[in-house]
Amino acid sequence: GNSVTQMEGPVTLSEEAFLTINCTYTATGYPSLFWYVQYPGEGLQLLLKATKADDKGSNKGFEATYRKETTSFHLEKGSVQVSDSAVYFCALGKNTGNQFYFGTGTSLTVIP
Amino acid sequence: EAGVAQSPRYKIIEKRQSVAFWCNPISGHATLYWYQQILGQGPKLLIQFQNNGVVDDSQLPKDRFSAERLKGVDSTLKIQPAKLEDSAVYLCASSLSADLSYNEQFFGPGTRLTVL
Repeated sequence: GNSVTQMEGPVTLSEEAFLTINCTYTATGYPSLFWYVQYPGEGLQLLLKATKADDKGSNKGFEATYRKETTSFHLEKGSVQVSDSAVYFCALGKNTGNQFYFGTGTSLTVIP
Repeated sequence: EAGVAQSPRYKIIEKRQSVAFWCNPISGHATLYWYQQILGQGPKLLIQFQNNGVVDDSQLPKDRFSAERLKGVDSTLKIQPAKLEDSAVYLCASSLSADLSYNEQFFGPGTRLTVL
């Protein structure tokens, strides 16, 4: 079946630290991969996506590369800010089907 | 551009009661999704509409949950009767089309349901 497994949280980092949130997936076929973010008090919003193997999605200093060989889509940022404090969700969507799967979410807190 | 609207924002009911949630997607979006997000978990897709037709409802507990999108715009999700385990945030999302490799899924603020 299709599923997403992401790193357990919560994660606490100091400002300007390097961030990695791990995400691995199981899927049949060739899914698209996504990272969504939920800031405190706000709704889910798309952060970045990659639609095929070796694609790199990037936005707001965050990056993730679609690695088919390791079935991974790890989220990285070189220098986090307090404003990055949020819950991050990895997700998988099938292009040919109509299924969308989220991971359990990773809470990030960045302290000054 | 107005976002996805949902109401009510909060609802508290007792078990075995009925409840309905309403969603108004972004204008022109053909695809509408309902998700259930239990505390501490990621959203789970319950049902997906393409215009007014159901594309996928494989994870919808059909013995108690129902959803409709009669005119291909607004949608309602109903639970009857509710159980304690239905306590969750119910999210509505919409996208221009079902191909999310090209189109973004936009989420509403959600309805937080508490079943006592």
